[in-house]
Amino acid sequence: AQSVSQHNHHVILSEAASLELGCNYSYGGTVNLFWYVQYPGQHLQLLLKYFSGDPLVKGIKGFEAEFIKSKFSFNLRKPSVQWSDTAEYFCAVNTGGFKTIFGAGTRLFVKA
Amino acid sequence: DAGVIQSPRHEVTEMGQEVTLRCKPISGHNSLFWYRQTMMRGLELLIYFNNNVPIDDSGMPEDRFSAKMPNASFSTLKIQPSEPRDSAVYFCASSARGGLLAGGRYEQYFGPGTRLTVT
Repeated sequence: AQSVSQHNHHVILSEAASLELGCNYSYGGTVNLFWYVQYPGQHLQLLLKYFSGDPLVKGIKGFEAEFIKSKFSFNLRKPSVQWSDTAEYFCAVNTGGFKTIFGAGTRLFVKA
Repeated sequence: DAGVIQSPRHEVTEMGQEVTLRCKPISGHNSLFWYRQTMMRGLELLIYFNNNVPIDDSGMPEDRFSAKMPNASFSTLKIQPSEPRDSAVYFCASSARGGLLAGGRYEQYFGPGTRLTVT
């Protein structure tokens, strides 16, 4: 069965630090990849997505993610985090059907 | 567009009572998903519908849970009887043009959630 693994459950950074959140999936075929963000007390919203083309995808608020097919990875990055980036981040994978599989989430806390 | 609408936003009930959560998807979306989020288990998919038809309910934890989608603009998730371990935030999400032909490329739009507390 397909699965999504997010390596870090909790990350604490200081403002201006660089961020990289890991995401790996298990599926050998074509995938559609997503990162969602959930700010405290709010619902999930889309940060960025990848379907095809340039494996480096840019999203909102300065986030980007790189799809590396050989590593089955879709890591999320941001060069300089802000206090307002404190949130939970979910990686998600769809293999072409109805169902999107979500990872367990990574809680990011940015110290001001 | 108003986005996905859920009601109520908060629900506090006593164990054994029936609870009904409601969802209105974004107009034109044909896939609808119900999720449960807890600290212990994270985000769990309970059931999803495509064109008002339940496609997969394998995530529904027990027979106490049931979901319906009588039309394209309304869905309910019912828990009867409710138990304290059902306490969680329940999210509804919808997606445009979902289904096998769409190839899974359409993101899900989440509602604000219903925070359920069963005492």
